[in-house]
Amino acid sequence: AQTVTQSQPEMSVQEAETVTLSCTYDTSESDYYLFWYKQPPSRQMILVIRQEAYKQQNATENRFSVNFQKAAKSFSLKISDSQLGDAAMYFCAFRITSGTYKYIFGTGTRLKVLA
Amino acid sequence: DTGVSQDPRHKITKRGQNVTFRCDPISEHNRLYWYRQTLGQGPEFLTYFQNEAQLEKSRLLSDRFSAERPKGSFSTLEIQRTEQGDSAMYLCASSSDLTFTDTQYFGPGTRLTVL
Repeated sequence: AQTVTQSQPEMSVQEAETVTLSCTYDTSESDYYLFWYKQPPSRQMILVIRQEAYKQQNATENRFSVNFQKAAKSFSLKISDSQLGDAAMYFCAFRITSGTYKYIFGTGTRLKVLA
Repeated sequence: DTGVSQDPRHKITKRGQNVTFRCDPISEHNRLYWYRQTLGQGPEFLTYFQNEAQLEKSRLLSDRFSAERPKGSFSTLEIQRTEQGDSAMYLCASSSDLTFTDTQYFGPGTRLTVL
């Protein structure tokens, strides 16, 4: 079975500081995509960053970057210079590239940003 | 690009009633997905359409659930004889097979409460 584990139900970070959210996954497939989505309170999920498993280089999007360790099946999200608007639920997800289009999501990490 | 829209945003119903939700995907997206999200959990895949064809269904989609996408544009999700366990957020997402990673974009969801 394919699973995603987010072991941190809640994290806090001081404004302007850096925080890392953890994600591990389990699959026997070698080719897949990984995603981090942000879900602000009562608002829709938006894509933060994505990573193709075949790429060794870690993806970055402005203040957001990932640490992708394929052998360890780990995909953590680093948020630099945290802002109040970063407060949200963050979901890690992956999708294998063949046979299905469904995403498998983790249970999420609630990020609080302290002023 | 107006994003994925869902209607209604909230639905309260009594146990045993039927409910129908609508999803309008991003206009050029040919793939459409339904997910269910319960409190404290990540979204769980329900079903997937490529154009008007329903190509994948989760075991979560019991006989009381039916989804359609008659003209390959909007989609409806109907739940018959609702049960209290059906209370959840129902999310719709869409994607395009013209993009390399086929990233899914989510709507705001329909929150269903079954009394």
